[in-house]
Amino acid sequence: DSGVTQTPKHLITATGQRVTLRCSPRSGDLSVYWYQQSLDQGLQFLIQYYNGEERAKGNILERFSAQQFPDLHSELNLSSLELGDSALYFCASSVHSSTGELFFGEGSRLTVL
Amino acid sequence: KNQVEQSPQSLIILEGKNCTLQCNYTVSPFSNLRWYKQDTGRGPVSLTIMTFSENTKSNGRYTATLDADTKQSSLHITASQLSDSASYICVVSANGGSQGNLIFGKGTKLSVKP
Repeated sequence: DSGVTQTPKHLITATGQRVTLRCSPRSGDLSVYWYQQSLDQGLQFLIQYYNGEERAKGNILERFSAQQFPDLHSELNLSSLELGDSALYFCASSVHSSTGELFFGEGSRLTVL
Repeated sequence: KNQVEQSPQSLIILEGKNCTLQCNYTVSPFSNLRWYKQDTGRGPVSLTIMTFSENTKSNGRYTATLDADTKQSSLHITASQLSDSASYICVVSANGGSQGNLIFGKGTKLSVKP
């Protein structure tokens, strides 16, 4: 158990809809990262937050947004969903913003029909 | 373009045998290289992290090597077990080590058969 909690574990929705994925980092970790893993693809970095502030941005679509709350949990919002958004979405956390071990959650599997 | 290439894409070995997975990278400036194990449908778990100055690091039956000159790394698994069946992902950190600049390989899928 990495200590990173993601909900929901599975989500099935229709095209055009909006969903919110939630991540609680390990106790004491200030940084949260979101990754997308499509079938047979490597993990793609989406966005990083450190202590509530956006720190780095990757290949995140404009239809996607995220935030980190004062209690350090984070949410990833996916809107106007398309079939191609079906993927595993992982959250990871670390103590520092730029170094050290990354701890991954178990992921949220999104299926868009 | 920063890239991490892993080979082979997949590998089947018998339980008890050794195997070596390869990772070649073109990432600059290099900060560190990590190997993760990812069970199917689960989150990746860190095996090793190596900086520029380290050329070998072990974690139980897993030994990673790094040649920063040739930009190659390998992960050697000794006396494989059924539980080693997973994808092994090589990840290179660029640009001073920012976690937001991690370049992920696509992984090598290892199947260990009895």
